[in-house]
Amino acid sequence: QKEVEQNSGPLSVPEGAIASLNCTYSDRGSQSFFWYRQYSGKSPELIMFIYSNGDKEDGRFTAQLNKASQYVSLLIRDSQPSDSATYLCAVKRDGNNRLAFGKGNQVVVIP
Amino acid sequence: DTGVSQDPRHKITKRGQNVTFRCDPISEHNRLYWYRQTLGQGPEFLTYFQNEAQLEKSRLLSDRFSAERPKGSFSTLEIQRTEQGDSAMYLCASSLPLGSGGFNEAFFGQGTRLTVV
Repeated sequence: QKEVEQNSGPLSVPEGAIASLNCTYSDRGSQSFFWYRQYSGKSPELIMFIYSNGDKEDGRFTAQLNKASQYVSLLIRDSQPSDSATYLCAVKRDGNNRLAFGKGNQVVVIP
Repeated sequence: DTGVSQDPRHKITKRGQNVTFRCDPISEHNRLYWYRQTLGQGPEFLTYFQNEAQLEKSRLLSDRFSAERPKGSFSTLEIQRTEQGDSAMYLCASSLPLGSGGFNEAFFGQGTRLTVV
């Protein structure tokens, strides 16, 4: 079992719609959760982080964390063509120095 | 300070050659990380420095790989006797010290893309 799973394939959404991305993790000791956006050929860019169960909103982005079910999700509202990228889920265990990443989900926003 | 800086951005080398990459972290960040990313995969952790001390190394970091951060500022990652399987993007990231008042999220540099031919 991989430490962080992002299983869904490329996601195509029309401009203005909501894009929904899911991520599950295996280590119950994970305490910090991050969503990075990565444009093709570029480095990952942090867009959201969440530490507590529930929802966290930042602009058009909402991160949702459910530690009991070991999943974290990202919603992108009012999707824009500039949101077309790969979204990487990453988790970190307290006291651990590394981020464990999923393989990412590609999002394509269709004008 | 414009962020984490990596040099070179691209490197093409012949199999068997040695290569060295450099990373300059954000100036107030004492924590520095190296990751490797291959096509279609997320970054994989290689190693971690706190100041000049290398505190963690992944099993991915074979004997051919060595990383240093001699003065606790910039870091280098050297790969000896490169193999085609080493072709990847090598990413450096840095973060604030714990307890600094900020969140300890990692900020990534633009990466060095290595191609071994």
